[in-house]
Amino acid sequence: DADVTQTPRNRITKTGKRIMLECSQTKGHDRMYWYRQDPGLGLRLIYYSFDVKDINKGEISDGYSVSRQAQAKFSLSLESAIPNQTALYFCATSDLGLGSDTQYFGPGTRLTVL
Amino acid sequence: SQQGEEDPQALSIQEGENATMNCSYKTSINNLQWYRQNSGRGLVHLILIRSNEREKHSGRLRVTLDTSKKSSSLLITASRAADTASYFCATVPVTGANSKLTFGKGITLSVRP
Repeated sequence: DADVTQTPRNRITKTGKRIMLECSQTKGHDRMYWYRQDPGLGLRLIYYSFDVKDINKGEISDGYSVSRQAQAKFSLSLESAIPNQTALYFCATSDLGLGSDTQYFGPGTRLTVL
Repeated sequence: SQQGEEDPQALSIQEGENATMNCSYKTSINNLQWYRQNSGRGLVHLILIRSNEREKHSGRLRVTLDTSKKSSSLLITASRAADTASYFCATVPVTGANSKLTFGKGITLSVRP
């Protein structure tokens, strides 16, 4: 079974709808991240969490919110989806042990906002 | 803002040739990592090199790090069509409680059969 899972894998929604993307991990890592990827722009960090009680904004948090329900679960919400939020979304986990912060990615959610 | 910047942005080579990709960064680092992404999939960690290391090998991969020039290179030897993917460098700044990995924009590698 995959260590980092994301649901749904694909989602088509309409402008103004609220949607939630979910991420679960079995790696036992404290750190979790949400990124979005757009062609030519690489990965951009939306939010990250270093433990259950810690939530931090990334470089593009406007229009998004997150919830860290447990060590293993980190969800991303779009309160009112808009077309320019159409992108590929990735969840990742890491462990800062030995200072490496190597990240492990989920398979991604392809979101289309019409 | 992204710490690492890869060069070139795109690279096309023939199967069997070597592929060299470069990464430059701006601030002092604890380590530098390379990741690979197949089209539409999640990134996969390839190799990590620490600031006190100059070269590391993993199979057909060779990574070098020059901290005086703030640059790294990833060499893939004897490339295969299956190496076609995007490659990202990522850096962790000098260790602190809030240190985290920051990704570059990536290099698209195409290996022609």
